[in-house]
Amino acid sequence: GNSVTQMEGPVTLSEEAFLTINCTYTATGYPSLFWYVQYPGEGLQLLLKATKADDKGSNKGFEATYRKETTSFHLEKGSVQVSDSAVYFCALSDLTGANNLFFGTGTRLTVIP
Amino acid sequence: DAEITQSPRHKITETGRQVTLACHQTWNHNNMFWYRQDLGHGLRLIHYSYGVQDTNKGEVSDGYSVSRSNTEDLPLTLESAASSQTSVYFCASSDQGKTQYFGPGTRLLVL
Repeated sequence: GNSVTQMEGPVTLSEEAFLTINCTYTATGYPSLFWYVQYPGEGLQLLLKATKADDKGSNKGFEATYRKETTSFHLEKGSVQVSDSAVYFCALSDLTGANNLFFGTGTRLTVIP
Repeated sequence: DAEITQSPRHKITETGRQVTLACHQTWNHNNMFWYRQDLGHGLRLIHYSYGVQDTNKGEVSDGYSVSRSNTEDLPLTLESAASSQTSVYFCASSDQGKTQYFGPGTRLLVL
């Protein structure tokens, strides 16, 4: 079946620190992979995605590379800001037409000045 | 601008009552989804719909129902609310094979 395992939080970093949030997946076939972000009191927003092996998704300084050999999609940012404080969700889509999403448990990131 | 809205944003109800959460999207998307978000579980799929008159059960559908009478709306009904259904509920929509867009969420407390 489909599942996503995500790094446990919470994660607390100082401003300008390097961020890595680990994500590994189990799926049949070759799903698309996503990172969603949830800011306090808001719904989820798509941060980035990758649809095939070796693709790199990027947005707002965040990056993640689809690694088929390690079934991973780790999120990275070189220098975090206070405004990056949020909950980050890794997700994969199945291969049905509607692309139903399977989510990890989320990782809360707090960035302190 | 197209959007997806949910109402109410907050709801307190009592055990055994019927509750309906509304979801409305103006993107004209065929696919709509309901998720619940609980600590330690991330988001779990409750029900989804691929179009008008189509509904399907997700991972955690027991105690919930949906109906799709038009493209824009997918209301979620809790037939007899239970304390285990205290959660934050998110609606989402997408075009075929495209990114899902999420609503702002409804926080439900069942006493």
